[in-house]
Amino acid sequence: RKEVEQDPGPFNVPEGATVAFNCTYSNSASQSFFWYRQDCRKEPKLLMSVYSSGNEDGRFTAQLNRASQYISLLIRDSKLSDSATYLCVVNGGDSSYKLIFGSGTRLLVRP
Amino acid sequence: NAGVTQTPKFRILKIGQSMTLQCTQDMNHNYMYWYRQDPGMGLKLIYYSVGAGITDKGEVPNGYNVSRSTTEDFPLRLELAAPSQTSVYFCASNNGIAYSNQPQHFGDGTRLSIL
Repeated sequence: RKEVEQDPGPFNVPEGATVAFNCTYSNSASQSFFWYRQDCRKEPKLLMSVYSSGNEDGRFTAQLNRASQYISLLIRDSKLSDSATYLCVVNGGDSSYKLIFGSGTRLLVRP
Repeated sequence: NAGVTQTPKFRILKIGQSMTLQCTQDMNHNYMYWYRQDPGMGLKLIYYSVGAGITDKGEVPNGYNVSRSTTEDFPLRLELAAPSQTSVYFCASNNGIAYSNQPQHFGDGTRLSIL
């Protein structure tokens, strides 16, 4: 089993749609959770951290379910510029500073 | 604000050649990392460093070496280039604090082809 698993997609949605990505992780001791965005042939960039109570940043909402070891990202009112690969990222354990990256979910937003 | 700077951006090597990928950061981060990303795959950790003079292996260290003589610099060395090392290499840094959400900042990558 992979340490961080994501649906690779691609998710092909029209502008204005709401889309949700899911991610599961295997290490129950993980404490830090992030969503990164990666554009084609570019470096990963932090989209948002994920907190236990869930958090929102504009059109983006992240949720964490520790019991199920599950993380989600919801994007509302999709824009063409949201087209990218979204990486689910989890730290390696209790006090680990090492991050484990999922393979990413590709999103294509069409006009 | 430069952040994490990687050089070169592109390089083609012949099998058996050696080279050093440079990485420097100006954010005074104590932790630095090297990843490789193969097409359609996630990032895999090659080596990491928790401070000057301290390095350790990640998930895929074979064929690579690193050093950390200063806080700012973390070069990655390929001694005998092999086709399997064709990949995009990313350097990253952060302030590694346990139990704290400290995201990593990435350089814009080095695209390396071994022919």
